[in-house]
Amino acid sequence: GAVVSQHPSRVICKSGTSVKIECRSLDFQATTMFWYRQFPKQSLMLMATSNEGSKATYEQGVEKDKFLINHASLTLSTLTVTSAHPEDSSFYICSARVEGTYGYTFGSGTRLTVV
Amino acid sequence: GQNIDQPTEMTATEGAIVQINCTYQTSGFNGLFWYQQHAGEAPTFLSYNVLDGLEEKGRFSSFLSRSKGYSYLLLKELQMKDSASYLCAVRGLGAGSYQLTFGKGTKLSVIP
Repeated sequence: GAVVSQHPSRVICKSGTSVKIECRSLDFQATTMFWYRQFPKQSLMLMATSNEGSKATYEQGVEKDKFLINHASLTLSTLTVTSAHPEDSSFYICSARVEGTYGYTFGSGTRLTVV
Repeated sequence: GQNIDQPTEMTATEGAIVQINCTYQTSGFNGLFWYQQHAGEAPTFLSYNVLDGLEEKGRFSSFLSRSKGYSYLLLKELQMKDSASYLCAVRGLGAGSYQLTFGKGTKLSVIP
């Protein structure tokens, strides 16, 4: 089946630094990638939608200059958290729509802790 | 806008049946999904409904009533490993129609 590989699974960084999270589709082409953030005991909140070769569409309240999304190829999408602060600590998950089906496949998530 | 409601927590006994409800008010509807999520892990797909009625898949069944904006997930023969959060998600229509909006999830605890 369609698999999305997400790395890293866990990262701890210092406040003010940047962190890049990668999602790769391993056996299919991910035209559309969704990026979610999940705080403890909360549900998944959509941050942005990216389509290969075009600019990402950000949800209201999500700073596009802080959360940089690149979807330069059909198999790779990245989310960079710039100038991270402790309040950015969260669980970030990517999800790709699997064309030709009604479904979506999720990455395994990245636990970001900013200290 | 999108509003999806489901109970926060439920507890059920091993071997029993549990029903998790989900109600939604959305600006458009193009399918409802149920996902299982264990703590610290990504969601895994359980079921999809786009037409009214019951979809059965092994121990899991999901029901949809579009006129009532209502769905439920039914888990039979509960096992300890079913302890997890269950997320209801709705796919909308129009621009961004492939986006899913998630409910806050129902944390299910299965006890011996």
